Amino acid sequence: GAVVSQHPSWVICKSGTSVKIECRSLDFQATTMFWYRQFPKQSLMLMATSNEGSKATYEQGVEKDKFLINHASLTLSTLTVTSAHPEDSSFYICSASKALAGDEAEQFFGPGTRLTVL
Amino acid sequence: GDSVTQMEGPVTLSEEAFLTINCTYTATGYPSLFWYVQYPGEGLQLLLKATKADDKGSNKGFEATYRKETTSFHLEKGSVQVSDSAVYFCALWGGSYIPTFGRGTSLIVHP
Repeated sequence: GAVVSQHPSWVICKSGTSVKIECRSLDFQATTMFWYRQFPKQSLMLMATSNEGSKATYEQGVEKDKFLINHASLTLSTLTVTSAHPEDSSFYICSASKALAGDEAEQFFGPGTRLTVL
Repeated sequence: GDSVTQMEGPVTLSEEAFLTINCTYTATGYPSLFWYVQYPGEGLQLLLKATKADDKGSNKGFEATYRKETTSFHLEKGSVQVSDSAVYFCALWGGSYIPTFGRGTSLIVHP
């Protein structure tokens, strides 16, 4: 159990277009979902945290108008990169947690989405 | 705030060598500690975890012990294989439920 999927697994788009990435928890209800961006040399940056039905909480330095996050249900969160530019090219990873807090707050990660903006 | 510090990589080893990847943390309260592994082109997978002091997490021959006195959670494996080549992330989850990750350590195992 505790499988998280992402779609698409990779996407190439032209500069100025918008791209939507979906993150789904397949066999559990995800109270909280997280979106990460992974830069070259592997560092993982938390972009935002979202709870179902409420606005996402963005980390400092992440543009909320650029990276739109919608947590529409307990099994689906979407990240939309608006007006993408080459510098937005990256590996985007989502994760989901069953808990809001607690000592068993484990995250389950999606396989990631490789975005390339030409 | 919470933070996780991992040793710089890459760590390069020969097959069957002993592995240690150091991880230390700072946190308020009593966080849960995790090691994740990321194989090339994939997302992160939970490798092992420990939720309280002196707990030992283990999986696939890897082990890590939650040391509160030294605020450490070092990852060890007695005999690495080429298939263990990946990036390893140490992470903690504290009372704020916002996860904190280390920068990752790349492991390269040569035959």
